[in-house]
Amino acid sequence: DAGITQSPRHKVTETGTPVTLRCHQTENHRYMYWYRQDPGHGLRLIHYSYGVKDTDKGEVSDGYSVSRSKTEDFLLTLESATSSQTSVYFCAIRQQGAVKTDTQYFGPGTRLTVL
Amino acid sequence: GDSVTQMEGPVTLSEEAFLTINCTYTATGYPSLFWYVQYPGEGLQLLLKATKADDKGSNKGFEATYRKETTSFHLEKGSVQVSDSAVYFCALSLNTDKLIFGTGTRLQVFP
Repeated sequence: DAGITQSPRHKVTETGTPVTLRCHQTENHRYMYWYRQDPGHGLRLIHYSYGVKDTDKGEVSDGYSVSRSKTEDFLLTLESATSSQTSVYFCAIRQQGAVKTDTQYFGPGTRLTVL
Repeated sequence: GDSVTQMEGPVTLSEEAFLTINCTYTATGYPSLFWYVQYPGEGLQLLLKATKADDKGSNKGFEATYRKETTSFHLEKGSVQVSDSAVYFCALSLNTDKLIFGTGTRLQVFP
């Protein structure tokens, strides 16, 4: 357990509505990540953050935005949800160690259904 | 590009059987390699990792050896239990910024 919580854990919404998912960490890690998990694709990186107000795009960033105004919180926003964004969303932190020993730890996930 | 390939599942075994889940990778540099496990309804948990060639990661009876010559990181366990039923993900990291995952292999163990 790396002190990561996600909220909400489950959400059902309608196409075209905005949705914000929250990731909260308690251990002051610099790096935070958002992934989505879909059958046949494993986990794919949406966006990540390397510090307050510092973010970058991942592999599947279209349709998503992120914000990080505090070290402990990393928000993922779907400005206008679509059915293709139905997925399970995982937040992760990177625990930094010696060279090449950095490891990512994951939150419990948010299951989002877009009708 | 960099990628991870895992064997398709599900892998179905009886309790106490020997487990192998194959994982091979393609990478332009020298990645770190990871196995994560996802139990039903939960997030991913780090199972084991290896950071250089010939390293062996081990945890909870699972082992995997980083084989540079065959670009592989196969997961093994000598005697599986029903409680090992889960989805197993192989992953690599080149610059520590990003993890690249395989598609996952579901393991089902029956008593």
